[in-house]
Amino acid sequence: GEDVEQSLFLSVREGDSSVINCTYTDSSSTYLYWYKQEPGAGLQLLTYIFSNMDMKQDQRLTVLLNKKDKHLSLRIADTQTGDSAIYFCAPGGDTGRRALTFGSGTRLQVQP
Amino acid sequence: GAVVSQHPSWVICKSGTSVKIECRSLDFQATTMFWYRQFPKQSLMLMATSNEGSKATYEQGVEKDKFLINHASLTLSTLTVTSAHPEDSSFYICSARTGEGAETQYFGPGTRLLVL
Repeated sequence: GEDVEQSLFLSVREGDSSVINCTYTDSSSTYLYWYKQEPGAGLQLLTYIFSNMDMKQDQRLTVLLNKKDKHLSLRIADTQTGDSAIYFCAPGGDTGRRALTFGSGTRLQVQP
Repeated sequence: GAVVSQHPSWVICKSGTSVKIECRSLDFQATTMFWYRQFPKQSLMLMATSNEGSKATYEQGVEKDKFLINHASLTLSTLTVTSAHPEDSSFYICSARTGEGAETQYFGPGTRLLVL
């Protein structure tokens, strides 16, 4: 099955950029997602990238995909205290029957 | 976007009782729903895939007699934790897919279960 790895913790200062990394094993993933989870809450889809793309930018978010190395990253520009949360990467297929496999999650702490 | 609700949002029960959690797709039909479990400070682990009108497919290590899943309609799947014990205390999250493609999986807000 799919194996997804993330670093567990990242601390940055407000206004700095945050980079959260993820590695995965299943090269057949069609879409690769980033989700945000705030304390006690469900998952919020932040962004995703299609597997034939190298980069996707969405306002403060930039996703980079290195398909050869099976490495995905999420960069948050101008990080704010409201960005403090757990971020999960989740490679997935495009068929309705496949569930997502989640990484361990990276806890982002933004210092004021 | 599509909305998925869960009920209840939290529940406290005594050991040995059964608890039913509902997952509803509010504005779309979902032939497939997924149930995940999340322990504190850990990732989401897939428990089972729920298909409308058929038996659920359970992941390895998940007891199907312990976690009963019923997907009776295209908008409702239920997870029943039977004879709950303290080790069943967890955050249970469902998701539903609207179809094929990228932005088609939507997550419920989760149900926090505490078994005393």
